[in-house]
Amino acid sequence: AQSVTQLGSHVSVSEGALVLLRCNYSSSVPPYLFWYVQYPNQGLQLLLKYTSAATLVKGINGFEAEFKKSETSFHLTKPSAHMSDAAEYFCAVSFGGKLIFGQGTELSVKP
Amino acid sequence: EPEVTQTPSHQVTQMGQEVILRCVPISNHLYFYWYRQILGQKVEFLVSFYNNEISEKSEIFDDQFSVERPDGSNFTLKIRSTKLEDSAMYFCASEPGLAYNEQFFGPGTRLTVL
Repeated sequence: AQSVTQLGSHVSVSEGALVLLRCNYSSSVPPYLFWYVQYPNQGLQLLLKYTSAATLVKGINGFEAEFKKSETSFHLTKPSAHMSDAAEYFCAVSFGGKLIFGQGTELSVKP
Repeated sequence: EPEVTQTPSHQVTQMGQEVILRCVPISNHLYFYWYRQILGQKVEFLVSFYNNEISEKSEIFDDQFSVERPDGSNFTLKIRSTKLEDSAMYFCASEPGLAYNEQFFGPGTRLTVL
């Protein structure tokens, strides 16, 4: 069965520091993987997606993620955090069209 | 840029009442979804809809829930007799086609059941 695990429900970084949000997946078939961001009181916005093309995927707002099959991981990174990056981030795997989400990681950015 | 819209943004209802949550998917999208997010928890799949019928539904989507695409634009989620545990944020999403691999989400409707 497909599932997603996000390590760390809350991550705090300083402005300008590296952002690393961890996501591990379980899938019986080659996965399609996604990162969504949710700003307070808003809906889900797609940051990036992996659909079996390049393993390093670049998304919006300077984020990128690397698909590592051997580690069943799809961690999200950004070299330099900005205050506006503070939000909830969800990793998801697609299974038969529906999305299965991880528990979410709340990112806080300190000045 | 086209976007998915949802109304109302916040709905308060009494336990046992019926509610209808409305969504307008992006025009020419073919696949439609409802998800919910209970406060502090992860986003959960409820139901997918294609070609005017349910494609898949989760265990959460019991007989109290129904979906409908009454015309060419709206996609609704009805909860017949709301329970306290139905309080959540409900998100609608649409997708051009399964091969596109990207669901576009609406801003959500916060449902509060008292």
